[in-house]
Amino acid sequence: GPKVLQIPSHQIIDMGQMVTLNCDPVSNHLYFYWYKQILGQQMEFLVNFYNGKVMEKSKLFKDQFSVERPDGSYFTLKIQPTALEDSAVYFCASSPDINTLYFGAGTRLSVL
Amino acid sequence: QEKVQQSPESLIVPEGAMVSLNCSFSDSASQSIWWYQQHPGKGPKALISIFSNGNKKEGRLTVYLNRASLHVSLHIKDSQPSDSAVYLCAVSPLIASSSFSKLVFGQGTSLSVVP
Repeated sequence: GPKVLQIPSHQIIDMGQMVTLNCDPVSNHLYFYWYKQILGQQMEFLVNFYNGKVMEKSKLFKDQFSVERPDGSYFTLKIQPTALEDSAVYFCASSPDINTLYFGAGTRLSVL
Repeated sequence: QEKVQQSPESLIVPEGAMVSLNCSFSDSASQSIWWYQQHPGKGPKALISIFSNGNKKEGRLTVYLNRASLHVSLHIKDSQPSDSAVYLCAVSPLIASSSFSKLVFGQGTSLSVVP
């Protein structure tokens, strides 16, 4: 089936540094999402993105977070600066419509 | 704020058994209810969705939705070891004209099918 690729699978950084998580969505998909999963907890919605714009974001999407998809390539989540509580697995998803989401395998972010 | 609760937390069954997974949600106006399967180290994969009250069957999977009781269940017939995974229930809140799908997930049920 359609594949969403996330790079890297694991990233370790020091608190206060900037990090960019990359997502290569399915090529003809139009809707993009980021979800956050803290160890042992459920996946939670962060943000959705369509036509170059953030359409909706949750209270977890702090001011230090930003998303973009420059030139229709990778869909990125940038955190600047990072905090200890940002340690989690971040899942990217893309969708051809507003219904079926296809998820990547996630990037595990460890903030030290 | 939509809330999704799943039970049981974990389940171990012998190969060939019927598996029943439960999910309750808080908003009867929620649009669609999805079941996702997640293997270790992988992202969730959509299995089946339902919108209308009643049941829907796809292969070995059957899902039942009762909006009045805010309950949905997933049944896996003739379970196989390859079905071993975490099963996530996800609810799509009622979509307003200016918003897009955002799934609210439960905490998952870990299923082990033993040969």
